[in-house]
Amino acid sequence: AQSVTQLDSHVSVSEGTPVLLRCNYSSSYSPSLFWYVQHPNKGLQLLLKYTSAATLVKGINGFEAEFKKSETSFHLTKPSAHMSDAAEYFCVVSDRAGANNLFFGTGTRLTVIP
Amino acid sequence: DTGVSQDPRHKITKRGQNVTFRCDPISEHNRLYWYRQTLGQGPEFLTYFQNEAQLEKSRLLSDRFSAERPKGSFSTLEIQRTEQGDSAMYLCASSLVGPRTDTQYFGPGTRLTVL
Repeated sequence: AQSVTQLDSHVSVSEGTPVLLRCNYSSSYSPSLFWYVQHPNKGLQLLLKYTSAATLVKGINGFEAEFKKSETSFHLTKPSAHMSDAAEYFCVVSDRAGANNLFFGTGTRLTVIP
Repeated sequence: DTGVSQDPRHKITKRGQNVTFRCDPISEHNRLYWYRQTLGQGPEFLTYFQNEAQLEKSRLLSDRFSAERPKGSFSTLEIQRTEQGDSAMYLCASSLVGPRTDTQYFGPGTRLTVL
């Protein structure tokens, strides 16, 4: 079975400081892993994805995530938070390499303090 | 805008009424997915199509729910005899299946409120 656990429901950082959003996954297969962002009243946008290539994945807007199989983790980081990063972030695992179905975590709401 | 579009964006209905939502995927995408997102939760998979074939349904998709993709392009999701528990955001996504093109792109969603 596939599932993800987002360890923090809410993270608050000051503008210009690093961001860390934590995610642990469970998968019966070699997983594909994703981070999506959801801004208020907007659709889900793909930030980055891991599909068994490089373990450090770079995404849009300066975000990156590192796949650690031994820890079953896929944490999302950014060196310096911007006000526009305030949103809901979802860690996602697919059930097969072809990403037929996506299993979403419960989300982490990121607040950026000016 | 060549992204995934959904219509309507908002729907308010009374309990017991039927509602239908439409999704237009990115034009060359052969897979189309429906998800439901309730308040404070991540989206949950409902069903998906490859071209016009509906290949998988979640247990969340009760017999009051039906989805179609008649010509392998747009899709409709119908909910019959709506209940208050159906209130949620209904999301559509599409993807192009291939060796490096499995990313799902999401539409803005249809927010359903059942009174």
